[in-house]
Amino acid sequence: EAQVTQNPRYLITVTGKKLTVTCSQNMNHEYMSWYRQDPGLGLRQIYYSMNVEVTDKGDVPEGYKVSRKEKRNFPLILESPSPNQTSLYFCASSLSGGGFHNEQFFGPGTRLTVL
Amino acid sequence: AQTVTQSQPEMSVQEAETVTLSCTYDTSENNYYLFWYKQPPSRQMILVIRQEAYKQQNATENRFSVNFQKAAKSFSLKISDSQLGDTAMYFCAFMKGTYGGATNKLIFGTGTLLAVQP
Repeated sequence: EAQVTQNPRYLITVTGKKLTVTCSQNMNHEYMSWYRQDPGLGLRQIYYSMNVEVTDKGDVPEGYKVSRKEKRNFPLILESPSPNQTSLYFCASSLSGGGFHNEQFFGPGTRLTVL
Repeated sequence: AQTVTQSQPEMSVQEAETVTLSCTYDTSENNYYLFWYKQPPSRQMILVIRQEAYKQQNATENRFSVNFQKAAKSFSLKISDSQLGDTAMYFCAFMKGTYGGATNKLIFGTGTLLAVQP
C-alpha cells in the first residue's frame, strides 16, 4: 500500500530534550515536506527536500533541523524543543514539485506536546 | 507573497442538502494550482479536489465541485447531497506552478469546520 508513515504518533516531552520525528514514504517520491498545524493558522511548511541531500527552509524553520540521506526518509529533528513547538506535525511527499505530479500525500500526523 | 483566506470558521448543513465553502486567495502568479483538503476527526489530510489555474473548466469529483473564478481569485467548494461522513475541517490551499526548483509548498487557509447534521 502506497503510504507516508510517521513515528511517533503522539509524544509528550520536556523543554530542551532532543527528539526526532521520523517520516518514511514508499512511493519513490522526490519531494518531501514537513508542516505544522496550529489552531487558527492552518498548516505551514517548516522544511522541504527536493531529493537526497537537497533540503531548504520553508516558512517556519526556526528551531528545526532536517536531513535527507535516503530518498524514502525525511526525519524532523528538534534539538532543543520549546513549548511554542507544541503542535500537530505532518510529513508529506509528492512525485515532483510545482508541476502536474504535485499531489502531496500526507502522513497521519504527530501530536507533539512540549512541557 | 501568496495568501489564502477562508472567511467561514464554522458551517453547518443538514444531511442531503448542499453547502458551499468559500475561499479567496491573493497572488501575482499566473500559473498555479488550487486544492481543497478534508481533515476528519482522525486528523488525516485527504485531497478532495484540485484545480489547475490554466484550465477554465471547473473541477468535479463525484459530489464535490468547485467554482473557480480566476479574475476574482475565488475558489469555492460545493458539496452536494451532504453526508454525515463529510463532517470535517476543510482547508483551501494554493501552490505555485513552477517547473523545476519548486518548493512544493502548499499555502493553506485557516480552515472551515463543517458539521453535517442528521
